Amino acid sequence: AQTVTQSQPEMSVQEAETVTLSCTYDTSESDYYLFWYKQPPSRQMILVIRQEAYKQQNATENRFSVNFQKAAKSFSLKISDSQLGDAAMYFCAMGRGNTDKLIFGTGTRLQVFP
Amino acid sequence: DTGVSQNPRHKITKRGQNVTFRCDPISEHNRLYWYRQTLGQGPEFLTYFQNEAQLEKSRLLSDRFSAERPKGSFSTLEIQRTEQGDSAMYLCASSLRSRGYEQFFGPGTRLTVL
Repeated sequence: AQTVTQSQPEMSVQEAETVTLSCTYDTSESDYYLFWYKQPPSRQMILVIRQEAYKQQNATENRFSVNFQKAAKSFSLKISDSQLGDAAMYFCAMGRGNTDKLIFGTGTRLQVFP
Repeated sequence: DTGVSQNPRHKITKRGQNVTFRCDPISEHNRLYWYRQTLGQGPEFLTYFQNEAQLEKSRLLSDRFSAERPKGSFSTLEIQRTEQGDSAMYLCASSLRSRGYEQFFGPGTRLTVL
């Protein structure tokens, strides 16, 4: 079975500081992709960053970067220079090869304090 | 690009009634996904289409649930004989291709079964 686990229900960070959200996953597949999605309050989910499992290099998107540890099946998200607009639910998700159906974790609610 | 749209945004119904939701994906996207999200949880995969073909259904999708995408464009999700346990946010997503391509999510339809 494929699972995604987010062990931090809530996190908080001060504006301009750095925060790391944790995610672990389990799969027996070799062909998969990992994602972080952001769901602001009452707004639709948007992609933050994605990582192909076959790539060793960690993905980065502006202030967002991941630490992908394949052997440990860990995929954490680092947000640098946090902004008030980063406040949201963050979901870690795994997509399998050709079908791309996503398996989501339970989410981490991030609060950003001024 | 108007994004993924879903209608209605909210639906309140009485137990035992049938409901139908509509999803309009981004126009050139051939893949369409339905997910269900309950409070405090991440989205759970229900089913997906490639063009008009329904390629996979989750075990979560009981025989009271049916989804269609008749011309490979918009999709409908029908729930017959609704139960209180069907209360959830129903999310639709579309993507241009497989293999880790981004899924674009709609705003969701919130169903409340009284």
